[in-house]
Amino acid sequence: QKEVEQDPGPLSVPEGAIVSLNCTYSNSAFQYFMWYRQYSRKGPELLMYTYSSGNKEDGRFTAQVDKSSKYISLFIRDSQPSDSATYLCAVHNQGGKLIFGQGTELSVKP
Amino acid sequence: DARVTQTPRHKVTEMGQEVTMRCQPILGHNTVFWYRQTMMQGLELLAYFRNRAPLDDSGMPKDRFSAEMPDATLATLKIQPSEPRDSAVYFCASGVSGNTIYFGEGSWLTVV
Repeated sequence: QKEVEQDPGPLSVPEGAIVSLNCTYSNSAFQYFMWYRQYSRKGPELLMYTYSSGNKEDGRFTAQVDKSSKYISLFIRDSQPSDSATYLCAVHNQGGKLIFGQGTELSVKP
Repeated sequence: DARVTQTPRHKVTEMGQEVTMRCQPILGHNTVFWYRQTMMQGLELLAYFRNRAPLDDSGMPKDRFSAEMPDATLATLKIQPSEPRDSAVYFCASGVSGNTIYFGEGSWLTVV
């Protein structure tokens, strides 16, 4: 079993839709949770970072962590074609090891 | 604008040849990661360093891969001999302990 599981998609939605992306992780030692966005032929770039259970909002993006269920989510409101990319969840322990999910490929159609 | 710099950006080589990829982390960052990305496996952690010391290289095939940090401004990943299954994008990333990490643009390797 992988330490971080993420549905690879692909996921296709119409412009303006609410997008929900999800990951589960297996080790409760992971303390920090991140979402990265990766455009085609580019390196991943950090989108959201959180270390506690609950919600964190940044513009149209909301990251949600439920440590009791080992479940992390990213919501995108009013999705735009420019949001089309691969979204990767990542978990991080205090020792510094950063593990990524498989990535979900998102396409937002105009 | 500080960024992680990787060279080469693209490399095509024949099976059996040695490949060396280089990474210049962001100045002041003390943690450096090497990842490999393929369609099938996603982003796999190969190795990472803190303050130039290797902390974990359990994700790296030891018989042909090696990773080093000769100094704080240079990290290298070497494959010898290379095989077609090594074809992938290799990413270097750097950060400060316990905080977010930043990725380079990747080295696209094709072994024929």
